[in-house]
Amino acid sequence: GENVEQHPSTLSVQEGDSAVIKCTYSDSASNYFPWYKQELGKRPQLIIDIRSNVGEKKDQRIAVTLNKTAKHFSLHITETQPEDSAVYFCAAKDKNFVFGPGTRLSVLP
Amino acid sequence: GAGVSQSPRYKVAKRGQDVALRCDPISGHVSLFWYQQALGQGPEFLTYFQNEAQLDKSGLPSDRFFAERPEGSVSTLKIQRTQQEDSAVYLCASSLAEMGQGYEQYFGPGTRLTVT
Repeated sequence: GENVEQHPSTLSVQEGDSAVIKCTYSDSASNYFPWYKQELGKRPQLIIDIRSNVGEKKDQRIAVTLNKTAKHFSLHITETQPEDSAVYFCAAKDKNFVFGPGTRLSVLP
Repeated sequence: GAGVSQSPRYKVAKRGQDVALRCDPISGHVSLFWYQQALGQGPEFLTYFQNEAQLDKSGLPSDRFFAERPEGSVSTLKIQRTQQEDSAVYLCASSLAEMGQGYEQYFGPGTRLTVT
């Protein structure tokens, strides 16, 4: 079955800097890759997603890139703000959704 | 409109008790998923419904776990003879379309189950 790895597990950046979180997946049949933001005690919320027929997608300060050959995808957050602090999860979907273990992002003011 | 809701939000059960967790998906959503999220981990897939049909239950950890969605809307996840390792947050998510067509999932707030 699918296996999703995510790095780093924790990330601290200064406000205004960029943050990059990377995920790898094992099943080449996976075709949809969402990213979720989860604040403490809250539900996961979709922030951006990408399908396997696209290499890059951007939404304001957030972008995702996908390398199907290498089976990895990355989340890029630019001009980080304290409210970006949360746990971020990547996921890959083939038959069902498999989530990575999460990255705790701290944006220091 | 209203998002996905779950009840109860918190549940404390003594080991060996049965529990029932409820999920109200967004109205009209075809797909419904249950996940188990242990502390500090990502959600782990439990089961998937397309309308009232349970198409995938490969993630259910044991036969003590049972899920149903009899009328294709509200779903219940039941855990029999709870064990301490069942302690986790149980998340429900719904999606407008079938699994192979629409993908965006909307999560509920979760039920935090603590087994003592």
